[in-house]
Order: sequence, then structure tokens, then C-alpha cells
Amino acid sequence: GDSVTQMEGPVTLSEEAFLTINCTYTATGYPSLFWYVQYPGEGLQLLLKATKADDKGSNKGFEATYRKETTSFHLEKGSVQVSDSAVYFCALIGMDSSYKLIFGSGTRLLVRP
Amino acid sequence: DAGITQSPRHKVTETGTPVTLRCHQTENHRYMYWYRQDPGHGLRLIHYSYGVKDTDKGEVSDGYSVSRSKTEDFLLTLESATSSQTSVYFCAIRPTGTSSNEQFFGPGTRLTVL
Repeated sequence: GDSVTQMEGPVTLSEEAFLTINCTYTATGYPSLFWYVQYPGEGLQLLLKATKADDKGSNKGFEATYRKETTSFHLEKGSVQVSDSAVYFCALIGMDSSYKLIFGSGTRLLVRP
Repeated sequence: DAGITQSPRHKVTETGTPVTLRCHQTENHRYMYWYRQDPGHGLRLIHYSYGVKDTDKGEVSDGYSVSRSKTEDFLLTLESATSSQTSVYFCAIRPTGTSSNEQFFGPGTRLTVL
């Protein structure tokens, strides 16, 4: 079945460092890909999305490119801030009619001043 | 803000008791979902609904039932709660007409089963 694998955390960075969180997926056909963010004590917020190969999703300085050839959707940000500290989830919606989200296990990011 | 509320936000209950969690939406979206969040597992689908009285199981549906008698409400019931059902439960909606199928989440319900 469809699945998502993302790098284990926690990832600890200093403010203004470059961020990469790796995400790879297994799915049939052409899934839609997402990054969600969960700030402490809150629910999940959609961060960015991509629906077809080579699409680049971007929001709040974060970017991710849908790479069909490597089945990847890595999250990047050029300069992280303390306020980016959160848990980041990679997810996909496959081709079945339920439109259910399949999540990775999440990566905790801690940004230090 | 997708207009999703969940109640209660926190609940502590004892093993063997029934529990019902409510998800309410204000925008008449057809698809609604219940997920549970556990450390190391991300979020996993329990049940979903694609219309009034139309529901189906997700990957972790054992021990849970759902009902949707009107568009705006999706109820999740634990018939006899167990400690393994201690978790954070999130409701989500898929906006009608979206081409990319994104979902938007409610604030969550933290359930502790003693």
C-alpha cells in the first residue's frame, strides 16, 4: 500500500541555518503531496502542497519540489527562525476514492537562538 | 479557518466506559475524517464519511464506530474505551470542489483512558 517515510528527528538548528527535512513516498499512480506543520499544543496546518511531478510548493519561506523520478518531496528553508520550531509531517493522498491522507511519522524541528 | 470545531477538547475516562467525540463543521463539506495521532506513527485514519449516512473504515478502525446523521456533524464513538485508545484525535474536512484534495484539521481532542 501507499506509504510515506520521513527522516527521524529531532532536528536541532541554530537560527538562520538552512533546513532540509527528507521525505520519500511509495504510491501507485500520481499522488498529491503535502507538508503539514504542528506547532506546540495546536492542530495541523497545511504548509504547502504539490499535485504533479516537478511542481514546487512554497509558503512562508518553505519550499518542496515533487520529484517523481526519486519519489521524494523534501522540505527546505533557507534561513530558519525560532518560530519555526514545530513538528513537520509529510503526507500524500493517493488515487483511491476516499481521498485519505497517509502521513509520515513526523519530524520535530527545534531552532535555537 | 475551515470552521471546524471538536468537543470535548480534553477528556479523561476509565477503561470500559463509552466515549463519544464530536466534530462540527459550518461549511457543508461532504468529506469528513477522523484520525488519531500517536508518537512515532504520525496520524492514522480511523473512519471517514463521504456524505450523510455514508461512512467507511480506515486503517485503525477496530474498537471505533462513527455516525453522520447530518452534514455538519461527524461523531466518533468508542463503545468500550481501552488504554490503547489514549491518543489525540483529529477531525478533518476535505473542501468540496478542491482539485488538490487537501484537508483541513480541527483543533484536536486529547483523550486519556485510565
